[in-house]
Amino acid sequence: SQELEQSPQSLIVQEGKNLTINCTSSKTLYGLYWYKQKYGEGLIFLMMLQKGGEEKSHEKITAKLDEKKQQSSLHITASQPSHAGIYLCGAGAHYNQGGKLIFGQGTELSVKP
Amino acid sequence: GAGVSQSPRYKVAKRGQDVALRCDPISGHVSLFWYQQALGQGPEFLTYFQNEAQLDKSGLPSDRFFAERPEGSVSTLKIQRTQQEDSAVYLCASSHPTSAFEETQYFGPGTRLLVL
Repeated sequence: SQELEQSPQSLIVQEGKNLTINCTSSKTLYGLYWYKQKYGEGLIFLMMLQKGGEEKSHEKITAKLDEKKQQSSLHITASQPSHAGIYLCGAGAHYNQGGKLIFGQGTELSVKP
Repeated sequence: GAGVSQSPRYKVAKRGQDVALRCDPISGHVSLFWYQQALGQGPEFLTYFQNEAQLDKSGLPSDRFFAERPEGSVSTLKIQRTQQEDSAVYLCASSHPTSAFEETQYFGPGTRLLVL
């Protein structure tokens, strides 16, 4: 079965610093979703990547999917306290995306002001 | 319109008690998913509905867990004879496929269940 491994598991950065979170799959990814979760809340959708080499950006967050579609990275530029939370990558369990998502264990980000 | 809503937000149950968790998906969303999230872990799939049909219930951990969506909108996850290991956050998500390859799931705030 497919597994997603995230690294690092936790991260503490100084405000203004850049950071990268990685998500590695044991199988080819046919759709990779990035979500953010604040403690006690649901998941907020950030971005979805599908094609090898694809890159998307929203405000100061950039997500990439490698050419082989087995690894994705999430990069935050000039981090702010509002970026703090748990970042989760999720992937469709089947080629046809209309089904369940498999998630990584999450990366907890803290930003020191 | 409004996002996915879930109720109650918090539930404390005594071991052996039955609980019912409700999910109101985004209006018009065909697909509805239930996930269980243990502390410090990513969500794990429980079950999936397309309209009123339960297409996948492979993630339900035991026959004490039951989900329904009788009219294809609101869904209820019921846990009978709760055990301490059922303590977790239960997340509901809904989606509407824009294509065969893109079906972003939008999540509710979750119900935090604590079984004493």
